[in-house]
Amino acid sequence: NAGVMQNPRHLVRRRGQEARLRCSPMKGHSHVYWYRQLPEEGLKFMVYLQKENIIDESGMPKERFSAEFPKEGPSILRIQQVVRGDSAAYFCASSPTGEAEQYFGPGTRLTVT
Amino acid sequence: GDSVTQMEGPVTLSEEACLTINCTYTATGYPSLFWYVQYPGEGLQLLLKATKADDKGSNKGFEATYRKETTSFHLEKGSVQVSDSAVYFCALSPSNTGNQFYFGTGTSLTVIP
Repeated sequence: NAGVMQNPRHLVRRRGQEARLRCSPMKGHSHVYWYRQLPEEGLKFMVYLQKENIIDESGMPKERFSAEFPKEGPSILRIQQVVRGDSAAYFCASSPTGEAEQYFGPGTRLTVT
Repeated sequence: GDSVTQMEGPVTLSEEACLTINCTYTATGYPSLFWYVQYPGEGLQLLLKATKADDKGSNKGFEATYRKETTSFHLEKGSVQVSDSAVYFCALSPSNTGNQFYFGTGTSLTVIP
């Protein structure tokens, strides 16, 4: 059973461009979480999704950030018009139910130049 | 609100030394508690967990006991190895369903031969 997969592993964008981060949860997992890890900091929750629904987006910045988890395909975290402060590692986690432990992917390291 | 406070690092130990990384939490209800480990350039891996008071989680020689009276979940290992060098995160999952995890800021451990 493959683990949580994220791609790309490394992403470089210039200021003003768009970044798309993908996450494929573990097989059988329908709950996906996105976290951001800034340098020298812990992980901060961004958004929690189930298939086709956003359950909790209390950690998402109000502008430029969006997330989806369609019926088919991976979950996508989209950052429009990136700025240098968006440079971070973005981790996706999945769980089979909302009450279970979360399994993390390897992360996408976004660098904005 | 819910939160986790973790011992500041970095921590440097000689091989075979004893390790303790302190973690305290603030939460309503009865949260589950976790320790995750992050090796360089990788995502987070679950190290151990405890879901109720007085539970002891253990894995790979690491242990942590869920102490409700002191709201603590300290990570301990009797004899560390060079391969234990990593960043360790304490995390909390609130008692209600479908929730984000709250992470501490992480403690970097370096074990020298």
